[in-house]
Amino acid sequence: GENVEQHPSTLSVQEGDSAVIKCTYSDSASNYFPWYKQELGKGPQLIIDIRSNVGEKKDQRIAVTLNKTAKHFSLHITETQPEDSAVYFCAARSKDSGAGSYQLTFGKGTKLSVIP
Amino acid sequence: GAGVSQSPSNKVTEKGKDVELRCDPISGHTALYWYRQSLGQGLEFLIYFQGNSAPDKSGLPSDRFSAERTGGSVSTLTIQRTQQEDSAVYLCASSLAGQGPYGYTFGSGTRLTVV
Repeated sequence: GENVEQHPSTLSVQEGDSAVIKCTYSDSASNYFPWYKQELGKGPQLIIDIRSNVGEKKDQRIAVTLNKTAKHFSLHITETQPEDSAVYFCAARSKDSGAGSYQLTFGKGTKLSVIP
Repeated sequence: GAGVSQSPSNKVTEKGKDVELRCDPISGHTALYWYRQSLGQGLEFLIYFQGNSAPDKSGLPSDRFSAERTGGSVSTLTIQRTQQEDSAVYLCASSLAGQGPYGYTFGSGTRLTVV
């Protein structure tokens, strides 16, 4: 099955600096890679996603890049603000060989702290 | 509804009691998932429902845990004879199924505290 590794587990940046979170995946057939932001006391919320036929996607201060050859994808946050402080999860969507269904496999999360 | 709804939002129970947690997915989403998140930890997969197929129960930590999904919509996660280590946030998510680029929509979770 799919395996997703996420680094770093914690990240502290000064307000205004950039933050980068990296994930690797194992199943070359994975075709969809979403990123979730989880604020304290809330469920994870989708913030950006990328399909396997695209190399980069941007949405204001957030961007995601995908390298299918190397099987890794990254989240980039520019001009960080205190409200960006949260836990971020990456995920990869692949077909479970046993169940025959498509599911997301999540990384273990990165706790981002933006210091004012 | 517009989102995934979970109830209750908080539950405090005594050790040994049974609890039921409810999830109401987005209308039309045939796939439903339960996850457990201990304090400061990642997402631990528990169980997955897809349409009328047999659920994937591979993540349930013990036979005290069970879940059902009635009519392909609402799901209930039941924990029998609760233990203190069951204290966690239980998250439900739903999605469309199939090969497409479908992400999950999560509910806000139920925070379970076993005392």
